Amino acid sequence: GENVEQHPSTLSVQEGDSAVIKCTYSDSASNYFPWYKQELGKRPQLIIDIRSNVGEKKDQRIAVTLNKTAKHFSLHITETQPEDSAVYFCAASMGGIQFYFGTGTSLTVIP
Amino acid sequence: GAVVSQHPSWVICKSGTSVKIECRSLDFQATTMFWYRQFPKQSLMLMATSNEGSKATYEQGVEKDKFLINHASLTLSTLTVTSAHPEDSSFYICSARMGPYNSPLHFGNGTRLTVT
Repeated sequence: GENVEQHPSTLSVQEGDSAVIKCTYSDSASNYFPWYKQELGKRPQLIIDIRSNVGEKKDQRIAVTLNKTAKHFSLHITETQPEDSAVYFCAASMGGIQFYFGTGTSLTVIP
Repeated sequence: GAVVSQHPSWVICKSGTSVKIECRSLDFQATTMFWYRQFPKQSLMLMATSNEGSKATYEQGVEKDKFLINHASLTLSTLTVTSAHPEDSSFYICSARMGPYNSPLHFGNGTRLTVT
């Protein structure tokens, strides 16, 4: 099956700085890549997603880039705020049949 | 927006007993639901894919006789942990895909299972 690797596992940034989280996947057939944010004790919430026919997508302070050739995709958060502190998961899916998650990145934004 | 309801949110049971967890899609029909297990500070591990009206598809290493999945309707999937042991203690979370193919997953709130 698909193998998704995510780096870094922990990330601390100063408020206002940018944060970047990177994921790689193994199955070239994967064509849908969502990112989820999970706050402590809560359910994962979708924050942004990208499909394989798109190289980049942006939503306010959040952007995702996809490099299909290299099989990696990244989450970029600009102007970070303390409320961005959470665990972020990337995922890869082929046609939404199954979703495989990365190992998670614990982001801490220091005020 | 799409809402997935999971019940109970937490349960404590004794070794050897069975526990049923329900996952409901409240405002959409879900032909496919996914069950995940999450250990503290770890990722979401896919256990099985629940298909309405047919048998669930289990991931390698997940015992299908241990974790019984039933998806009897388009809005309800259940996970039953049979003959629970302390090592089954974990956070179980279900999710559903609202639309066809390449639609995002919507997650339930999860169930914290503690087996004593």
